[in-house]
Amino acid sequence: ETAVFQTPNYHVTQVGNEVSFNCKQTLGHDTMYWYKQDSKKLLKIMFSYNNKQLIVNETVPRRFSPQSSDKAHLNLRIKSVEPEDSAVYLCASIQQGANSDYTFGSGTRLLVI
Amino acid sequence: GEKVEQHESTLSVREGDSAVINCTYTDTASSYFPWYKQEAGKSLHFVIDIRSNVDRKQSQRLIVLLDKKAKRFSLHITATQPEDSAIYFCAASDTNAYKVIFGKGTHLHVLP
Repeated sequence: ETAVFQTPNYHVTQVGNEVSFNCKQTLGHDTMYWYKQDSKKLLKIMFSYNNKQLIVNETVPRRFSPQSSDKAHLNLRIKSVEPEDSAVYLCASIQQGANSDYTFGSGTRLLVI
Repeated sequence: GEKVEQHESTLSVREGDSAVINCTYTDTASSYFPWYKQEAGKSLHFVIDIRSNVDRKQSQRLIVLLDKKAKRFSLHITATQPEDSAIYFCAASDTNAYKVIFGKGTHLHVLP
């Protein structure tokens, strides 16, 4: 099956802890993204990687750091979570210049208590 | 910075009627305009897109229109069905699609 796979689906943690979210795509795409979707469903781009190179790095707190081992993987680490980090984190991928559309993963819902 | 404004936050239509969702964008370099649908509790999935070399595109009951002069694009859903009820997001990016900017979403309710 070719798709964008995210783990975990759901994570509950306490303020100050570190969390890591994984994203893998088996579509052969060369560009991957992390988006944050808040409780009002607003989508904000966080990072974009093309062939393991950081392309877009929006103004996000320093505690967020993307990690890419190859073009099929883009993980997201949050060093010391805060309550406002509670959201759904969506990973997506696209093949540049191939008339393809974004494919989204199913999302990781983070709850910080 | 670049913005995509999605004008209708909520839209209710009767089953069988048409629904229209309007978006405007600010970046003149934008050339790719996808639309995504998000059903309750699920992720986004692509429904249709339009590129700046055309001003109209249709896929079954979905029609997208693009007015580059006015920096405006719209999604028309004809003969709406209950399963069309969802949040619809418009988006815009340049050709590279490195940075796709999304609108705030429109909650579409198709009433029986």
